[in-house]
Amino acid sequence: KAGVTQTPRYLIKTRGQQVTLSCSPISGHRSVSWYQQTPGQGLQFLFEYFSETQRNKGNFPGRFSGRQFSNSRSEMNVSTLELGDSALYLCASRAGQGNEQYFGPGTRLTVT
Amino acid sequence: QQQVKQSPQSLIVQKGGISIINCAYENTAFDYFPWYQQFPGKGPALLIAIRPDVSEKKEGRFTISFNKSAKQFSLHIMDSQPGDSATYFCAANNNAGNMLTFGGGTRLMVKP
Repeated sequence: KAGVTQTPRYLIKTRGQQVTLSCSPISGHRSVSWYQQTPGQGLQFLFEYFSETQRNKGNFPGRFSGRQFSNSRSEMNVSTLELGDSALYLCASRAGQGNEQYFGPGTRLTVT
Repeated sequence: QQQVKQSPQSLIVQKGGISIINCAYENTAFDYFPWYQQFPGKGPALLIAIRPDVSEKKEGRFTISFNKSAKQFSLHIMDSQPGDSATYFCAANNNAGNMLTFGGGTRLMVKP
């Protein structure tokens, strides 16, 4: 099976802009979670989607949002970008049962 | 009380030696404890995981030891190899939510 794929891999945006990142889970996986990784804060949970519904949300401002489509692909959006949003954004997929989460390679977002 | 504390932050081991990374948690609702390995430019890869009903799990050169009463768990890498040089993250999760709480990471360097 192909692994989790994320596009784009690298992105440079200007402060105040918005950005949309995409994630395609492992085939058959219905849960997609998003994490932010920074040197200062480490790996932090953003949100989880299962069957197109947000099931959990981490402690991030409302500028961070996401959605999941009927084919389980997910997008996350960050509006009004701030310099502190520069990070590696990771997507992880999980089958409907079981806890094992498998991560994609991430999207490296740089905000200037 | 969602913290997972990981130590040491960095570790240097000679080839063939044993690498030991420790984690401690506070939330007694956690019931799933995975370890992830991350190479530069890659997403975290699931290495091995344990549940609290067992005290030890071994997969090849990797062993998790779990102490429920002390709320601690550790990763042992036997016969460490230069190819094991990476950043290792412990994490914890509970069945009710599926949001991984990560430790701060340990950068392991195995010297040839």
